Amino acid sequence: DSGVTQTPKHLITATGQRVTLRCSPRSGDLSVYWYQQSLDQGLQFLIQYYNGEERAKGNILERFSAQQFPDLHSELNLSSLELGDSALYFCASSAIDRGINGYTFGSGTRLTVV
Amino acid sequence: GENVEQHPSTLSVQEGDSAVIKCTYSDSASNYFPWYKQELGKRPQLIIDIRSNVGEKKDQRIAVTLNKTAKHFSLHITETQPEDSAVYFCAASISGQAGTALIFGKGTTLSVSS
Repeated sequence: DSGVTQTPKHLITATGQRVTLRCSPRSGDLSVYWYQQSLDQGLQFLIQYYNGEERAKGNILERFSAQQFPDLHSELNLSSLELGDSALYFCASSAIDRGINGYTFGSGTRLTVV
Repeated sequence: GENVEQHPSTLSVQEGDSAVIKCTYSDSASNYFPWYKQELGKRPQLIIDIRSNVGEKKDQRIAVTLNKTAKHFSLHITETQPEDSAVYFCAASISGQAGTALIFGKGTTLSVSS
């Protein structure tokens, strides 16, 4: 167990639907990052939150949004889902405020859009 | 923004041989370069990292070298073993800044045959 918890592990949904992925960072980590991993696309950075505030944005679609709550858990909302959104979504956390730049990844949520 | 290129995309070696994976980055401000190993169906895990004030770092059979002038860094695995088979990702970021996320290369699938 890495200390980063992602739920659910698997999600199957239909096109046009909306889903919410949840992430609880490792205890004490203030930074949360969301990545999308598709076949042959590596790890694509979506968005970062630090202590409740959005800090960096990557290639995140307008149909996607995220937030980090006061207890530091984060949610990634994916709406108007398309077949191409099927992927493994990883959350990671780090303790940048303590000079620790390495990420700890969760086990991921596998999203299948049918 | 940062862009990380990684080569080769696949690498096959015999057990006991060495393996080298190379990455280049675009943002000269980047100063933190980690490597992650992802086994099939599992989360990426940090295996080694290097900062820009260091040219080389070793950890048992794994070493990473960095050439800041040329903006490239490499992962070297010696005496490869079948359990080294996995996808390896390089990444780059600016350490110490809460608003900078790791940008990953597209990964190298390493296969070690016995």
